[in-house]
Amino acid sequence: GQQLNQSPQSMFIQEGEDVSMNCTSSSIFNTWLWYKQDPGEGPVLLIALYKAGELTSNGRLTAQFGITRKDSFLNISASIPSDVGIYFCAPGAQKLVFGQGTRLTINP
Amino acid sequence: GAVVSQHPSWVICKSGTSVKIECRSLDFQATTMFWYRQFPKQSLMLMATSNEGSKATYEQGVEKDKFLINHASLTLSTLTVTSAHPEDSSFYICSARGTLTDTQYFGPGTRLTVL
Repeated sequence: GQQLNQSPQSMFIQEGEDVSMNCTSSSIFNTWLWYKQDPGEGPVLLIALYKAGELTSNGRLTAQFGITRKDSFLNISASIPSDVGIYFCAPGAQKLVFGQGTRLTINP
Repeated sequence: GAVVSQHPSWVICKSGTSVKIECRSLDFQATTMFWYRQFPKQSLMLMATSNEGSKATYEQGVEKDKFLINHASLTLSTLTVTSAHPEDSSFYICSARGTLTDTQYFGPGTRLTVL
């Protein structure tokens, strides 16, 4: 069956540090989305990637859609306290498949 | 733009009762809506996909007679948990996809607690 691995599962960093997380899949996808979820809330879309090799930024966030269409990474530069939350990759087209999530904790 | 609302945001009910959750796309028309369930400290699990005007497609292991989905208009889908039991307690989240994009926009979720 289809496998989607997101890593790391959790990160504990100092404010101001850069963050990097990634997802790899056993299947090819045409779309990769990255979402952030705060406790008790629904996921909020951060970045959408639609083309293999595409590199897209949204403020301090940068994400890339791997050239093989089987992976993607998300980077956050100069982290701030409001970056705390759970980040999910969600590749798919008609249906999204959610990664296990990366829980980001920031020490002030 | 692309705002999705859910109602109620939380609900507590007795075992054996039915609960209806609404999902609305407020500023766009959603041909497809999705229902997810999320248990504590876990990822989102897709329950079903619903297209406006047709029957929902359920994921493997999800009982269609227990989780009734109606998508009667391009801006509203409902999920009814019938004869709820404590193990149905979870965070239910809907998402909506517009006609021009593959991007899904999520609602704020509904916390269901069955006593």
